[in-house]
Amino acid sequence: AQSVTQPDIHITVSEGASLELRCNYSYGATPYLFWYVQSPGQGLQLLLKYFSGDTLVQGIKGFEAEFKRSQSSFNLRKPSVHWSDAAEYFCAVGGGGADGLTFGKGTHLIIQP
Amino acid sequence: GAVVSQHPSWVICKSGTSVKIECRSLDFQATTMFWYRQFPKQSLMLMATSNEGSKATYEQGVEKDKFLINHASLTLSTLTVTSAHPEDSSFYICSARIPTDTQYFGPGTRLTVL
Repeated sequence: AQSVTQPDIHITVSEGASLELRCNYSYGATPYLFWYVQSPGQGLQLLLKYFSGDTLVQGIKGFEAEFKRSQSSFNLRKPSVHWSDAAEYFCAVGGGGADGLTFGKGTHLIIQP
Repeated sequence: GAVVSQHPSWVICKSGTSVKIECRSLDFQATTMFWYRQFPKQSLMLMATSNEGSKATYEQGVEKDKFLINHASLTLSTLTVTSAHPEDSSFYICSARIPTDTQYFGPGTRLTVL
């Protein structure tokens, strides 16, 4: 069965500091990997996705993620966070096509001034 | 582009009544839409996959007679919670899939059953 683990429930980062959110997945075939962000009262917004090709993918808002097959990981990074990045971040895996997504439990990002 | 809307954004109903939630893809056609459920401070759980013109596929443990899904057109899927009870109170989120296999999510519907 497929699964996604986001080991950090909460992360606190100072504004301007770098950020890395961890995501590990279990999937029986080639995974389609996604990072979404959910702000209070907002829907999920796609930050970036990985289907194939270059393992370092660039997304919106200055985020990037690196797919490491050997580690079954797809960690999200940002070199310098802004106060507006405070939100809930979800990593998800799917098989494409008509497959729904399996989500991790989410990481709540808190930005300190 | 790739905007998905949901209506209503929130609804309060009495126990035993039915509630219909609409999910629309506004600027694209979606042959496949998905319905998820999110409990407070928890992750999204896939409930069902909705394909235009065919019966929905439900995840294990989801009661298909309680959560009726209809995907009547390429831009509209509906979820009807029948005979709602307080334990059905939750945040229901739909998504629509574009041909490149990316899902775009609606803003969600908060259901409270009294």
